[in-house]
Amino acid sequence: ILNVEQSPQSLHVQEGDSTNFTCSFPSSNFYALHWYRWETAKSPEALFVMTLNGDEKKKGRISATLNTKEGYSYLYIKGSQPEDSATYLCAFGHGSSNTGKLIFGQGTTLQVKP
Amino acid sequence: SQTIHQWPATLVQPVGSPLSLECTVEGTSNPNLYWYRQAAGRGLQLLFYSVGIGQISSEVPQNLSASRPQDRQFILSSKKLLLSDSGFYLCAWTPSTDTQYFGPGTRLTVL
Repeated sequence: ILNVEQSPQSLHVQEGDSTNFTCSFPSSNFYALHWYRWETAKSPEALFVMTLNGDEKKKGRISATLNTKEGYSYLYIKGSQPEDSATYLCAFGHGSSNTGKLIFGQGTTLQVKP
Repeated sequence: SQTIHQWPATLVQPVGSPLSLECTVEGTSNPNLYWYRQAAGRGLQLLFYSVGIGQISSEVPQNLSASRPQDRQFILSSKKLLLSDSGFYLCAWTPSTDTQYFGPGTRLTVL
């Protein structure tokens, strides 16, 4: 059974703090690693898709890194703002098929206090 | 541009009643389609996916079924709902095997 683990489960930070989350995934048969942001009452929104070992992606204050050999990815948020409050999901795409199936972690819920 | 619709937005159903949730995608053709569920306190679980009309793959044994009668239509059904079917149901599509785009979701409560 393929498993994707995210930590921490939840996080409370003050506005302006920088923070990071971890996603662990199987290191074999890797195809892609996705990060999504899921705000309350909205749909999950794609942040990044990474496919190559050592990939780094950035979008504003949010960035992500990928290590496919050891099976982990980090998501960083610099200078957290209240609007960053959401659940951050990572999802593992494995390369055994062309179906685009993703296995999601349980997410890290971030709350940023003003 | 592409859009994805789901309905209804919320649903309250008694145990043993049937279910039909619909998902449609506009602005694309031959997408891969997916049904996910998030039960209370749990992560997103893939229920079904489809790579073409009439092609359905089930990921977990359950009380639900899916159908794809048209290229951009994906339906989730049940003949008799169980309490454990309660949750938030999301439909998603992808043009290939890349980023998935999610619909607005349906909140299902089974009483």
